[in-house]
Amino acid sequence: SQQGEEDPQALSIQEGENATMNCSYKTSINNLQWYRQNSGRGLVHLILIRSNEREKHSGRLRVTLDTSKKSSSLLITASRAADTASYFCATDDMSSSASKIIFGSGTRLSIRP
Amino acid sequence: DTGVSQNPRHKITKRGQNVTFRCDPISEHNRLYWYRQTLGQGPEFLTYFQNEAQLEKSRLLSDRFSAERPKGSFSTLEIQRTEQGDSAMYLCASSPGGQKGLGTFGSGTRLTVV
Repeated sequence: SQQGEEDPQALSIQEGENATMNCSYKTSINNLQWYRQNSGRGLVHLILIRSNEREKHSGRLRVTLDTSKKSSSLLITASRAADTASYFCATDDMSSSASKIIFGSGTRLSIRP
Repeated sequence: DTGVSQNPRHKITKRGQNVTFRCDPISEHNRLYWYRQTLGQGPEFLTYFQNEAQLEKSRLLSDRFSAERPKGSFSTLEIQRTEQGDSAMYLCASSPGGQKGLGTFGSGTRLTVV
């Protein structure tokens, strides 16, 4: 079963606009990560936010975390065509000894030129 | 090469055949994970190794699936008597000890069972 649910499932915006994706999860976490996946390729780690952090920035990426609502958002500012990809949130499974990460179902982002 | 390497990139096989995939993790990473991803879904955890020990297996990993990491370096994932439902992208990730939940992923092996 998957831990997180991303919203929306698909998002299409004009180049230059900002893109916001949301993620909700079910259980307590130590950290939450966002990954990007280009079509047919492996996942690229974007950013990790710890459970005691509320906001984190990396370049054009801004991630927020609200542990009381068990939700996170990823904001990509000034979108570019190269941002077209699927974006997944992932959380650690505290019930597991394996330190495994559990992924949501993803948001497919399309940037229109 | 400092990344996670997976081979082959693509595999097409007939139903009922056995297939084996290989993952070469980042050399200093002692943790290795296998995930499976079907179209339009996020990756699902299959199994985890710490060094050569297989410490956790998902219930998704039926008895037709077996994974090994004999010397704590590369790993293989074998699927016996493949079924069409096994068609998916198989992803490998590795991470260093102590970094909970953080992994570097390979590009995956795409399996198509016809």
